[in-house]
Amino acid sequence: DGGITQSPKYLFRKEGQNVTLSCEQNLNHDAMYWYRQDPGQGLRLIYYSQIVNDFQKGDIAEGYSVSREKKESFPLTVTSAQKNPTAFYLCASSKDRVWGNTEAFFGQGTRLTVV
Amino acid sequence: GEDVEQSLFLSVREGDSSVINCTYTDSSSTYLYWYKQEPGAGLQLLTYIFSNMDMKQDQRLTVLLNKKDKHLSLRIADTQTGDSAIYFCALSSNTGKLIFGQGTTLQVKP
Repeated sequence: DGGITQSPKYLFRKEGQNVTLSCEQNLNHDAMYWYRQDPGQGLRLIYYSQIVNDFQKGDIAEGYSVSREKKESFPLTVTSAQKNPTAFYLCASSKDRVWGNTEAFFGQGTRLTVV
Repeated sequence: GEDVEQSLFLSVREGDSSVINCTYTDSSSTYLYWYKQEPGAGLQLLTYIFSNMDMKQDQRLTVLLNKKDKHLSLRIADTQTGDSAIYFCALSSNTGKLIFGQGTTLQVKP
């Protein structure tokens, strides 16, 4: 079955540690996205990638890093520089057609808690 | 830059119609979307409308688009308790990104 998979579902991090959230898709989509969701604030874009080996900062990229070495994979690292990392993180992918239908498919999310 | 605004909360009684509203600033969007998010889960696409349409109906869902006023709405007929969720409107920007509103929490009372 085609889809987008995030892991782990729950993640606990000690202050000062880096953690990496996994996102894999088998939909053959070119574009992938990372969003952060906080209560009452909707989805805020962290990073996005429209092609392998290329990615752009979103609205809240500080304290995060990504890589796009393979079309299927877009891992997100939450670094110790991110001051308030506790949140729900959502990964998405789309066919990335500018001016076309960019319907996005979402993973089930990773809830990150700093302890 | 692009901005998408939604009211944060809507409460209705089971069997009533729900209307969730969205306003936006970027008039160049070609597709506009409605997503549904259930607790602790990702977002699922409910429906979308192409910008040259005024209305789209899909079973209990009706999407209305007023391009002049930059206003998008989602009407859910005969709202059920299973419709309780957060609803997001989203627009495709001219860079290919999706821009989301803050989400409207729909509470359906029995």
